[in-house]
Amino acid sequence: QKEVEQNSGPLSVPEGAIASLNCTYSDRGSQSFFWYRQYSGKSPELIMSIYSNGDKEDGRFTAQLNKASQYVSLLIRDSQPSDSATYLCAVRNYGGSQGNLIFGKGTKLSVKP
Amino acid sequence: DTEVTQTPKHLVMGMTNKKSLKCEQHMGHRAMYWYKQKAKKPPELMFVYSYEKLSINESVPSRFSPECPNSSLLNLHLHALQPEDSALYLCASRLDRSYNEQFFGPGTRLTVL
Repeated sequence: QKEVEQNSGPLSVPEGAIASLNCTYSDRGSQSFFWYRQYSGKSPELIMSIYSNGDKEDGRFTAQLNKASQYVSLLIRDSQPSDSATYLCAVRNYGGSQGNLIFGKGTKLSVKP
Repeated sequence: DTEVTQTPKHLVMGMTNKKSLKCEQHMGHRAMYWYKQKAKKPPELMFVYSYEKLSINESVPSRFSPECPNSSLLNLHLHALQPEDSALYLCASRLDRSYNEQFFGPGTRLTVL
């Protein structure tokens, strides 16, 4: 059973701080990793994808991947109240076909003004 | 056009009704997905269409019937649903086998009475 694990939170950070979200996965052969943001009652929105070891930065977001440790993280710098949402880590399932994603249960982030 | 659209946004139906959910994308994506999401849970894969052919059916009950009339459209036909089928139904699409990023539509909030 391929699994993606995340702390459910809630993770609470003050406005302006760095929020750190973590994810581990069980399938060592996984190659593609994604972070989705989901506001309450809305659909998931893709915010970052990462395929190679190391860091990938996009604005205030940095994704970090360590395939040896089977670990992927998302850092949000200068956190804003509008970043309050559930963040879903997703890994592409290579065992199946057609690129379906395996999701973690999500980490709820709360940014306090 | 860089989005996935879904109609209706909300649907209330009785257990004897027949209704359909519609999903559309004009990005030239050749893989389309139906997910079901219950409150405080991650999206759960239901069906995958690749190049307009059903490639994955995750043991979904027959009261859910998918259809892909063309490369831009995906339908989900509903019949004799149960109250426990109430959920957010999400459509997603991906360019093709070579590209990994999957984009979600806004979802249809379904309530079965």
